[in-house]
Amino acid sequence: NAGVTQTPKFQVLKTGQSMTLQCAQDMNHEYMSWYRQDPGMGLRLIHYSVGAGITDQGEVPNGYNVSRSTTEDFPLRLLSAAPSQTSVYFCATLGEQYFGPGTRLTVT
Amino acid sequence: DQQVKQNSPSLSVQEGRISILNCDYTNSMFDYFLWYKKYPAEGPTFLISISSIKDKNEDGRFTVFLNKSAKHLSLHIVPSQPGDSAVYFCAVSNSGYALNFGKGTSLLVTP
Repeated sequence: NAGVTQTPKFQVLKTGQSMTLQCAQDMNHEYMSWYRQDPGMGLRLIHYSVGAGITDQGEVPNGYNVSRSTTEDFPLRLLSAAPSQTSVYFCATLGEQYFGPGTRLTVT
Repeated sequence: DQQVKQNSPSLSVQEGRISILNCDYTNSMFDYFLWYKKYPAEGPTFLISISSIKDKNEDGRFTVFLNKSAKHLSLHIVPSQPGDSAVYFCAVSNSGYALNFGKGTSLLVTP
């Protein structure tokens, strides 16, 4: 039982590049979400999903896309990376009871 | 406009004493309140929660108090241990998920 896993742990992108942050859970939870944390800030909700095929926007969704084709996976896509998206990204499940270890993204 | 405020960026407490971390929120519609602990380079770890129908919830050394009229919650850790040194976030919700987080309080427990 791995809980919530995130890949990669670290990533450096150039402005304008695209990438997908992966999040997977093996606890069969319907609810999954993505947060970002910036220095000196709390976590802010980007997108969330209450089940396969259902997603909704959080507080800071601009520049990010999500989809939920399976219960296990909830990838976060950056379509055209910007320096403002430099942050640490956390995936969570079950009403934010379980968080993944995070992906540290730097956009230059 | 910040809906959740943790006004103390840091707190230092001696081992064995009580640690009290505070959190204020602005919207009376929030009905679910949580505390998380976070170590560097790790994801947040859920500690304890409370719903708006209660004013106190205990779990071992951790107790959360909710004062709805003051829109205030606090986390008490008794006794504090060096391993409790971490950043503590409070979070609130009116849905059970999609949380609003405070900026965190860094707790240092000294031997």
